[in-house]
Amino acid sequence: QVQLQESGPGLVKPSETLSLTCTVSGGSISSYYWSWIRQSPGKGLEWIGYIYYTGSTKYNPSLKSRVTILVDTSKNQFSLKLGSVTAADTAVYYCARPKWGDGGWFDPWGPGTPVTVSS
Amino acid sequence: QSVLTQPPSVSGAPGQRVTISCTGSSSNTGAGHDVHWYQHLPGTAPKLFIYGNSNRPSGVPDRFSGSKSGTSASLAITGLQAEDEADYYCQSYDNSLSGWVFGGGTKLTVL
Repeated sequence: QVQLQESGPGLVKPSETLSLTCTVSGGSISSYYWSWIRQSPGKGLEWIGYIYYTGSTKYNPSLKSRVTILVDTSKNQFSLKLGSVTAADTAVYYCARPKWGDGGWFDPWGPGTPVTVSS
Repeated sequence: QSVLTQPPSVSGAPGQRVTISCTGSSSNTGAGHDVHWYQHLPGTAPKLFIYGNSNRPSGVPDRFSGSKSGTSASLAITGLQAEDEADYYCQSYDNSLSGWVFGGGTKLTVL
């Protein structure tokens, strides 16, 4: 059964770039879409973007100017880069697999990794 | 402000039935996009509990059921148990965003 695990720094300074990696185990990253989702303190879940294993991407318009999602099929990993971070980007970041590229549900999810933006 | 609207909290005694509502708009749930539900325990991965409005993944107790009508959906839990205490989120797809949207989450407390 496919499992996801996020990794990366838990503390990022304002104006710097947040970088996270999601490692996929128990299955191949190929032939699927992969997504990043976050939850800010006291708020609901927010979809950040997705990448198809071929490298095609789609981002949430509210974050599009600052987000890059990449895939490394040789390592069965995909990554998130969010630039020019502020305190508003403090959140728990999850990686998850959407059913389709234009709808459906997310399953499975990683356990999430907390990221704090602070100097 | 989440795109899908859920009550912040619901509660019920063991054995009772509770429902959690999820209301969207004409660009998401009202556009025919399905609603999906997740159970989330703090510090763990959100778990898919209902997909396609009313379908339960393997392993989810049949005490959980989902329905959708128009722009609104509901998650019903019967025979409430202490282990059901968690946060529940609804999710759909939005045509205007061209992406996925979530509810703000509902904290279920078992009294």
